[in-house]
Amino acid sequence: GAGVSQSPSNKVTEKGKDVELRCDPISGHTALYWYRQRLGQGLEFLIYFQGNSAPDKSGLPSDRFSAERTGESVSTLTIQRTQQEDSAVYLCASSSAWFNSNQPQHFGDGTRLSIL
Amino acid sequence: QKEVEQNSGPLSVPEGAIASLNCTYSDRGSQSFFWYRQYSGKSPELIMSIYSNGDKEDGRFTAQLNKASQYVSLLIRDSQPSDSATYLCAVISTSGTYKYIFGTGTRLKVLA
Repeated sequence: GAGVSQSPSNKVTEKGKDVELRCDPISGHTALYWYRQRLGQGLEFLIYFQGNSAPDKSGLPSDRFSAERTGESVSTLTIQRTQQEDSAVYLCASSSAWFNSNQPQHFGDGTRLSIL
Repeated sequence: QKEVEQNSGPLSVPEGAIASLNCTYSDRGSQSFFWYRQYSGKSPELIMSIYSNGDKEDGRFTAQLNKASQYVSLLIRDSQPSDSATYLCAVISTSGTYKYIFGTGTRLKVLA
């Protein structure tokens, strides 16, 4: 597709369940980013991939959060044993290269996660 | 000091006026700067990028960069109610590890 694709667009689940969020970056984009945005708040960086390695995992809030990426393609963000404070919009972005450092990020539409 | 700082607003301007949005950053070595617009309930969309000192114009938008003073600004001429959104400043910092840092955004309200 032409843009960053995220699925599902909305997810409602019960506290304690695991959830998996998917991001399909723009074709050819080597860098991929995950952010969390709580209602009315700014972007909270979670993790960044260059190819399938993650040079910066510093933003993952706890060990309940993990992410992986297959090659330079799809990434999944997994949240285990969800808590109500995990309710937020999870945004994925991609860019064409990190070493050519002037490339902007392009965002998907996000996954709105609600924990009951 | 935050790495990228923006006034949260809201900044209210009348329709047709110039809206001026400002952003300061702490890493003097930063080279790449971006402005994103985020409508309520939507994801951020890139509207401008700037890499060199001075002004860069794109339609009603002008980005201004002053690396010596470590600020970047966005001017919106002939503001329209449809410009009402949150504007996010983003900076690529290369000090230490490569980092793409967003400010928390300035909420702009254009009053009809």
